[in-house]
Amino acid sequence: EAGVAQSPRYKIIEKRQSVAFWCNPISGHATLYWYQQILGQGPKLLIQFQNNGVVDDSQLPKDRFSAERLKGVDSTLKIQPAKLEDSAVYLCASSLFRDAYEQYFGPGTRLTVT
Amino acid sequence: LAKTTQPISMDSYEGQEVNITCSHNNIATNDYITWYQQFPSQGPRFIIQGYKTKVTNEVASLFIPADRKSSTLSLPRVSLSDTAVYYCLVGDLNTGFQKLVFGTGTRLLVSP
Repeated sequence: EAGVAQSPRYKIIEKRQSVAFWCNPISGHATLYWYQQILGQGPKLLIQFQNNGVVDDSQLPKDRFSAERLKGVDSTLKIQPAKLEDSAVYLCASSLFRDAYEQYFGPGTRLTVT
Repeated sequence: LAKTTQPISMDSYEGQEVNITCSHNNIATNDYITWYQQFPSQGPRFIIQGYKTKVTNEVASLFIPADRKSSTLSLPRVSLSDTAVYYCLVGDLNTGFQKLVFGTGTRLLVSP
């Protein structure tokens, strides 16, 4: 069974630039999550989709972050403009059911903002 | 949401048994205990979940005493590849573990 795919794996940008991350969840998983993991901390949920609808985006900095999940499969997370404090690993996860305790994570995208 | 407390780090040697204890004094009746493992440069991975007594799978065992105020993740005969961060999460299955709120976890270092 193929896992959660993410790209790119690494990205370096300057502050005020924009960046986008892509995620392809496990086939058949209706729920998709984006997490932000700052070095030395546990992952923090940014946004959760159920199919192509947003379930929870309470911790998403909406002035600069946006996400979409067209057709209920792939998803993109965008940051515009980036700040230094956005340097982190961005993890995508998926699960069969909404609010599942067992989530499957991708390898993440490591973003460095200079 | 029950707060969890884990040691920040632990050291071990290959072949030893490692026990990581998580304290969750305010655990609610409907709460389950779940552990995730995160290797360097990878996303977290679900390893085990339990409600009471003992649960064992191919990766680890989870011991939960009768009062459920703590739990212990046991890794038998660790190898270098068990070096990772281990997260303890507590939550109600029916409410989705509050969207999986991760703490800082326990960083386990296994040495030869």
